[in-house]
Amino acid sequence: DADVTQTPRNRITKTGKRIMLECSQTKGHDRMYWYRQDPGLGLRLIYYSFDVKDINKGEISDGYSVSRQAQAKFSLSLESAIPNQTALYFCATSDAGTDDTGELFFGEGSRLTVL
Amino acid sequence: EDQVTQSPEALRLQEGESSSLNCSYTVSGLRGLFWYRQDPGKGPEFLFTLYSAGEEKEKERLKATLTKKESFLHITAPKPEDSATYLCAVPQLVDSNYQLIWGAGTKLIIKP
Repeated sequence: DADVTQTPRNRITKTGKRIMLECSQTKGHDRMYWYRQDPGLGLRLIYYSFDVKDINKGEISDGYSVSRQAQAKFSLSLESAIPNQTALYFCATSDAGTDDTGELFFGEGSRLTVL
Repeated sequence: EDQVTQSPEALRLQEGESSSLNCSYTVSGLRGLFWYRQDPGKGPEFLFTLYSAGEEKEKERLKATLTKKESFLHITAPKPEDSATYLCAVPQLVDSNYQLIWGAGTKLIIKP
């Protein structure tokens, strides 16, 4: 089984619908991240969490919200999806002790299409 | 504004043909530069961390080097299984926390 699991892997939805992407990890890491990847652009950080009670906005948090239900679970929600949120979304984790190494562990991604 | 730029966007090589990928950055007080590999349909996978100019890291046919303004990922005698998108990233201080700034990646295709 994968250490970082994302569900769903693929989702097609319509404008205005609420969508939740879920991430769970078995690595025991405190830090979890949500990134968005678009063709021709680098990964962009949406939200990150250093522990269950610590959630921070990233570069592009507008239109998104998150919930850290437990150390192992971090969900990303789109309250009212719009077409320009069509993208590949990645969850990642890191060990707090290796904060500066940049060693993130990624899930396999959730491809979201908003019509 | 801090930036990370990768070139070329795509690179096609014959098996065994060595080359280099470039990652240039404009960030003050570099706290490391990271290389990742991303296969189609997968999340990025960590390769290397470089911390200071002159540092080198190697893994199989890959060697990463760092100068004060850029990093190179040299690939020697590549094989088709080296085909992937290679990403680089640097930490940027934002509101007292470090966040990674990512390049758009170089798509490497190795033809048998």
